[in-house]
Amino acid sequence: DAEITQSPRHKITETGRQVTLACHQTWNHNNMFWYRQDLGHGLRLIHYSYGVHDTNKGEVSDGYSVSRSNTEDLPLTLESAASSQTSVYFCASSGQPYDGTQYFGPGTRLTVL
Amino acid sequence: GENVEQHPSTLSVQEGDSAVIKCTYSDSASNYFPWYKQELGKRPQLIIDIRSNVGEKKDQRIAVTLNKTAKHFSLHITETQPEDSAVYFCAASMRIQGAQKLVFGQGTRLTINP
Repeated sequence: DAEITQSPRHKITETGRQVTLACHQTWNHNNMFWYRQDLGHGLRLIHYSYGVHDTNKGEVSDGYSVSRSNTEDLPLTLESAASSQTSVYFCASSGQPYDGTQYFGPGTRLTVL
Repeated sequence: GENVEQHPSTLSVQEGDSAVIKCTYSDSASNYFPWYKQELGKRPQLIIDIRSNVGEKKDQRIAVTLNKTAKHFSLHITETQPEDSAVYFCAASMRIQGAQKLVFGQGTRLTINP
């Protein structure tokens, strides 16, 4: 069965370190998304991609970057982790760019000390 | 700016009663409105969606209504059961800074009391 996975599921890091969160999907979807989830803010879009080599900024992109070298993967990098980036991160993929079902990964809980 | 407002933030109902969650959106061109359910510690999952050419959609105990004139849409859950306890998110497709995106509301924590 097609699926979307994230790794690691939990990560503790220190301020200033570079961190990369992995997202891998086997749906063969062109569209992939990264969200962060914080209490009271719902799901906020960090970056998204509509195809290989395409990346776009979401509403809370500062301090984050993504790259899309193949259809299956969209890794999220925190260039220099900050305590404000402590959050739960969800990756999602979809067959449509903005008007179709988004399939979410299991999430990564990141703590920046 | 363009956003989606969701109310209430928390909702507690007796088992068997109905629950209603409301969302308003700002972009009159929005045309896709999904609802996601997120159980504790789990990922969000789509439970129902509606497009702008339809005013209402039902799936067993859940229904969504859309009022394009007023720019609001609602989730209705009837005959609530304990397994309905979760956080529910609405979303709307809208154009932000020249690009179409799906924007989520802040979420409603629904608790079903036995």
